[in-house]
Amino acid sequence: QKEVEQDPGPLSVPEGAIVSLNCTYSNSAFQYFMWYRQYSRKGPELLMYTYSSGNKEDGRFTAQVDKSSKYISLFIRDSQPSDSATYLCAMSDDGQNFVFGPGTRLSVLP
Amino acid sequence: KAGVTQTPRYLIKTRGQQVTLSCSPISGHRSVSWYQQTPGQGLQFLFEYFSETQRNKGNFPGRFSGRQFSNSRSEMNVSTLELGDSALYLCASSWDRWGIFGQGTRLTVV
Repeated sequence: QKEVEQDPGPLSVPEGAIVSLNCTYSNSAFQYFMWYRQYSRKGPELLMYTYSSGNKEDGRFTAQVDKSSKYISLFIRDSQPSDSATYLCAMSDDGQNFVFGPGTRLSVLP
Repeated sequence: KAGVTQTPRYLIKTRGQQVTLSCSPISGHRSVSWYQQTPGQGLQFLFEYFSETQRNKGNFPGRFSGRQFSNSRSEMNVSTLELGDSALYLCASSWDRWGIFGQGTRLTVV
């Protein structure tokens, strides 16, 4: 079992839909959680980060962490074609060494 | 503000050769991390350098090495290239925890 699991997709949704992206993990020591977005032929860019459990909202994006279930989610409201990318979750126990999920490819259809 | 610069962007090498990739971090960032990204394995941590010292290392063979210079620029070297080394190599620079990625170097080994 990999340390961080993520459905690879592809996930196709119509424009305006609410998108839910998820990761599960096995290491209960993880307490730093991040979401990156990666467009084709580009490096990943940091979208959101959270520490420990709870929710964090930034515009159309909401990150949720449920440490009891070892499950994190990224919600995208009013999805746009420009949101089409691969979304990577990453997590760490010490804030120094991060383990990445394999990524979920999202396609938002106009 | 200049981003993280990786050179070259694309590289083709033959098996058995060696290669050196370069990463110039964001000004003021002292930490540089290297990652290998492949479709099958996702983003995997290679090593991290901080103030010219290797601070963390992932599970890669000794053919993969790196160094950091006094101006924080970093290089990674792969010797005796294998077909399986074909990948996107990304570096991320950071001042604190959250790494900012470069666009990567796409290495193809033939």
